[in-house]
Amino acid sequence: AQSVTQPDIHITVSEGASLELRCNYSYGATPYLFWYVQSPGQGLQLLLKYFSGDTLVQGIKGFEAEFKRSQSSFNLRKPSVHWSDAAEYFCAVGVNQGGKLIFGQGTELSVKP
Amino acid sequence: DGGITQSPKYLFRKEGQNVTLSCEQNLNHDAMYWYRQDPGQGLRLIYYSQIVNDFQKGDIAEGYSVSREKKESFPLTVTSAQKNPTAFYLCASSKRGGDTEAFFGQGTRLTVV
Repeated sequence: AQSVTQPDIHITVSEGASLELRCNYSYGATPYLFWYVQSPGQGLQLLLKYFSGDTLVQGIKGFEAEFKRSQSSFNLRKPSVHWSDAAEYFCAVGVNQGGKLIFGQGTELSVKP
Repeated sequence: DGGITQSPKYLFRKEGQNVTLSCEQNLNHDAMYWYRQDPGQGLRLIYYSQIVNDFQKGDIAEGYSVSREKKESFPLTVTSAQKNPTAFYLCASSKRGGDTEAFFGQGTRLTVV
């Protein structure tokens, strides 16, 4: 069955420290992969996407993610976290349609001053 | 500016009542989607529509109904048959096809009182 797993429910990092949020997927075909961010009570904003080609993709707000087919992973990284990055982050797999998504459970990021 | 508008932002419903959530988009997207978000469960697909006058059930369609009479609009009705309707509801739209991303509205928080 198709699924997305985000192993970390909650992560706390210090401002200025590096960040890596994990995402593993289970999908039979070549996946369309996404990372979205959500502030409390708000909708989702797309950070970055992978469709094909270069496995290291750059997104907005200084985020990047690397697609590793052998590990079925699409981890999100940022070299230096800012307090404004505190939010919930969702990894998702697109199923045939760009908006037909299977989401992970989300990772809540807290940033310490 | 192009985008997706959901209304109202907050909605209260008495048990046994039907309620309709509005979703309008001016992005000229063919496909539209409804997701339900519960804490710790990520987002789950309720219904989606790829074209006017056509829609398909998602993973959790029981107790919900939709219509797609216009390209711009995809209202969701939460019926009295939905056993646990209190949740955050998100509408999204996308172009047709797999290699495209979804754009989300700001959400409607429904509370049953």
